Amino acid sequence: DVVMTQTPVSLSLAIGQPASISCKSSQSLLGTSGKTFLNWILQRPGQSPKRLIYQVSKLYSEVPDRFSGSGSETEFTLKISRVEAEDLGVYYCWQGTHFPYTFGAGTKLELK
Amino acid sequence: EVQLVESGGGLVQPGRSMKLSCAASGFTFSNYGMAWVRQAPTKGLEWVATISYDGSSTYYRDSVKGRFTISRDNAKSTLYLQMNSLRSEDTATYYCTREYRYNFDYWGQGVMVTVSS
Repeated sequence: DVVMTQTPVSLSLAIGQPASISCKSSQSLLGTSGKTFLNWILQRPGQSPKRLIYQVSKLYSEVPDRFSGSGSETEFTLKISRVEAEDLGVYYCWQGTHFPYTFGAGTKLELK
Repeated sequence: EVQLVESGGGLVQPGRSMKLSCAASGFTFSNYGMAWVRQAPTKGLEWVATISYDGSSTYYRDSVKGRFTISRDNAKSTLYLQMNSLRSEDTATYYCTREYRYNFDYWGQGVMVTVSS
């Protein structure tokens, strides 16, 4: 199985500060289609996960543009340009290139 | 508005069976693959099973293969997960998700399954 390693485990930031979360996979996530199925989701406290980014860098329409995704092959990054209160929760990267699909352990974003 | 509403969870003894349902609305159910993802208490997320848009293909994680069966009824816009020979390690919140191009783009609110004697 592809192992997804997220760092840091937690982040404590003040409103307005930038955030960066790293996600590394144990093998390349570049699929035979030429696409990389690395996705990011956010689970706010007490809620189910919500979509954020798909195929490394594509934001869903409802996601604010302060979020961005980048990376390739085995190394990926989620960035928030300026953290807002609604951004707190646990961020997960996960891969849909190889079965079984696998998730990172999560990065908890807390507000300072 | 896309909605996925799970039902059928609860407390079940080890070795027994349980069937989860997920009622979908707000989109053409028969056009999309669907999946179940679970989350053990205070733990991370774990993909369980996927079914193609027409039900012709199914995929399972190794730990549930032979015990769980994912199925769908496109006429009823409903996804199912039949869970047999349940173990304590199956205790989790089970989420129904819509799968689109190797991504889960919508998630239900989740249903709790507790396997305990």
